[in-house]
Amino acid sequence: NAGVTQTPKFQVLKTGQSMTLQCAQDMNHEYMSWYRQDPGMGLRLIHYSVGAGITDQGEVPNGYNVSRSTTEDFPLRLLSAAPSQTSVYFCASSYSAGGGSYEQYFGPGTRLTVT
Amino acid sequence: AQSVTQLDSHVSVSEGTPVLLRCNYSSSYSPSLFWYVQHPNKGLQLLLKYTSAATLVKGINGFEAEFKKSETSFHLTKPSAHMSDAAEYFCVVSESGFGNEKLTFGTGTRLTIIP
Repeated sequence: NAGVTQTPKFQVLKTGQSMTLQCAQDMNHEYMSWYRQDPGMGLRLIHYSVGAGITDQGEVPNGYNVSRSTTEDFPLRLLSAAPSQTSVYFCASSYSAGGGSYEQYFGPGTRLTVT
Repeated sequence: AQSVTQLDSHVSVSEGTPVLLRCNYSSSYSPSLFWYVQHPNKGLQLLLKYTSAATLVKGINGFEAEFKKSETSFHLTKPSAHMSDAAEYFCVVSESGFGNEKLTFGTGTRLTIIP
């Protein structure tokens, strides 16, 4: 299994540009999430999905869109990039590990810089 | 609402000495608790998890954590630090049993190992 894959690894955007961060998993996990990691703030949830066709907002959803047309893929779209979106983005997928716990598997991250 | 506080942003220990990374949590319901490790420029890897079974949880690489409900703590320990333990560690809480995937991350503790 490749696990959770993310592309690209690095990206530089100009303010106002749009782009899509790709995320895919081959573990048949129902649940997928996007986080951003900023210094001193841990990881913050942007959007998540509990299955194909179902998405919901996390803690910091503004400026981002998601869709989930298949179980495997969960792309994150930046509509109009702003310098405040400079961050490292992690995609994660998870399954029910029993007892109500949800162990998450993380991708390697995308480092985004908006100038 | 759930929250987690990592009491130290940076911990330094000498190789071969014990490691203690402190975490307190707040949760309205029965929580699941996790420790994740992130090595430089890498994604996050699960170290261990607590899901209402045994209160002393053993993880990978010799780490363990004890769930103490009365103290709302979930501190991470290791008897003897190794140079490869140098990384950032995140304590994470999830309110289990509600079918959602929302994890709340602490702000992280950077562990430095002194040779």
